[in-house]
Amino acid sequence: GAGVSQSPSNKVTEKGKDVELRCDPISGHTALYWYRQSLGQGLEFLIYFQGNSAPDKSGLPSDRFSAERTGGSVSTLTIQRTQQEDSAVYLCASSLMEGAGNTIYFGEGSWLTVV
Amino acid sequence: AQKVTQAQTEISVVEKEDVTLDCVYETRDTTYYLFWYKQPPSGELVFLIRRNSFDEQNEISGRYSWNFQKSTSSFNFTITASQVVDSAVYFCALGETSGSRLTFGEGTQLTVNP
Repeated sequence: GAGVSQSPSNKVTEKGKDVELRCDPISGHTALYWYRQSLGQGLEFLIYFQGNSAPDKSGLPSDRFSAERTGGSVSTLTIQRTQQEDSAVYLCASSLMEGAGNTIYFGEGSWLTVV
Repeated sequence: AQKVTQAQTEISVVEKEDVTLDCVYETRDTTYYLFWYKQPPSGELVFLIRRNSFDEQNEISGRYSWNFQKSTSSFNFTITASQVVDSAVYFCALGETSGSRLTFGEGTQLTVNP
């Protein structure tokens, strides 16, 4: 696709349920990133992939959060046993290669609300 | 540790005014990258510019200009003759060569009133 595509765009879930958020990066981009933006706060790094490997997953807030990437393309961020504090916008981004010298392009985000 | 500070939480101007958004950063790296992103109400982060630490030349793109000063660790963004469509949250970010994550500032909410 032309840009980074994320789904669902909006998700309301009950506390304790699991959710999966999907990201389809720009075609040909080998690096993929997940960030979280909570209401009124800045962007918080979660994890990044180079190909299918995740060299830096230090931003994942707890072991309820996990992510995978298959085929060097689509990535899924999974949140298990969701809590209300997980409510946020989850932004996916991609770049041609890893490293800050490459421009990082963001998707429109998945708005998650845990009730 | 890296840090980005955008001291201006909110700015409100009248259309056609010039406005400068401040960004101050901290890093121990000698090579690093600075970014500005625009986040309109739709939520998508729109890339505006990337500069590397070796290029202190100021840049102009239409009504946008950027002033990078290593001596003060600042990378300020000026919008000339602002328009209502410029209303958005603007984020400054720092990328270091030691990793692939970006460190973002808290953002500045710019409102341009007609």
